[in-house]
Amino acid sequence: EAGVAQSPRYKIIEKRQSVAFWCNPISGHATLYWYQQILGQGPKLLIQFQNNGVVDDSQLPKDRFSAERLKGVDSTLKIQPAKLEDSAVYLCASRFPGTTSYEQYFGPGTRLTVT
Amino acid sequence: RKEVEQDPGPFNVPEGATVAFNCTYSNSASQSFFWYRQDCRKEPKLLMSVYSSGNEDGRFTAQLNRASQYISLLIRDSKLSDSATYLCVVNSDFGNEKLTFGTGTRLTIIP
Repeated sequence: EAGVAQSPRYKIIEKRQSVAFWCNPISGHATLYWYQQILGQGPKLLIQFQNNGVVDDSQLPKDRFSAERLKGVDSTLKIQPAKLEDSAVYLCASRFPGTTSYEQYFGPGTRLTVT
Repeated sequence: RKEVEQDPGPFNVPEGATVAFNCTYSNSASQSFFWYRQDCRKEPKLLMSVYSSGNEDGRFTAQLNRASQYISLLIRDSKLSDSATYLCVVNSDFGNEKLTFGTGTRLTIIP
């Protein structure tokens, strides 16, 4: 079974530029998450989708971050404009909803460096 | 107070030793608990769920103490391949299946 796919794997941009990340979850996984992991910290949830609807975006800095999952499958996360403190790994995860297991399957992440 | 707190370490432990990590959580209504493992520059992966009765998976034992709101992970006969960051994870938003991750405890097994 294919895992969660993410691209690009690495991105270096200057502050105030824009960047977009792409995620394709495991087939059949209706729940999709975007996390931000700053070096030395655990993943922090940015946004959670159930199919193409937003379930939780309470920790998404909406003045600069946006995310969409238009067809309920793959998703994009955008930062515009980027700040130095956005340097982090952006992880996408998915799970099959409604199961008793809360296991989330993570993609390899996109490592963003803002200079 | 953070929702999930862990000692960040690092823990440097000789091969073959036993090592234990603790984690505390703030929401007494939390129902589900997990340990995830994250290798250097890799994504987190589920190591094991933590049940009220405690559970064991080979050299790994997880315990839950609801009264004190802490979770533990014990690794026996540690191996070089156990070197990783161990993330304590709590589900406290049941309707939304949301997980909250601790900062992680970094473990290095020394030959």
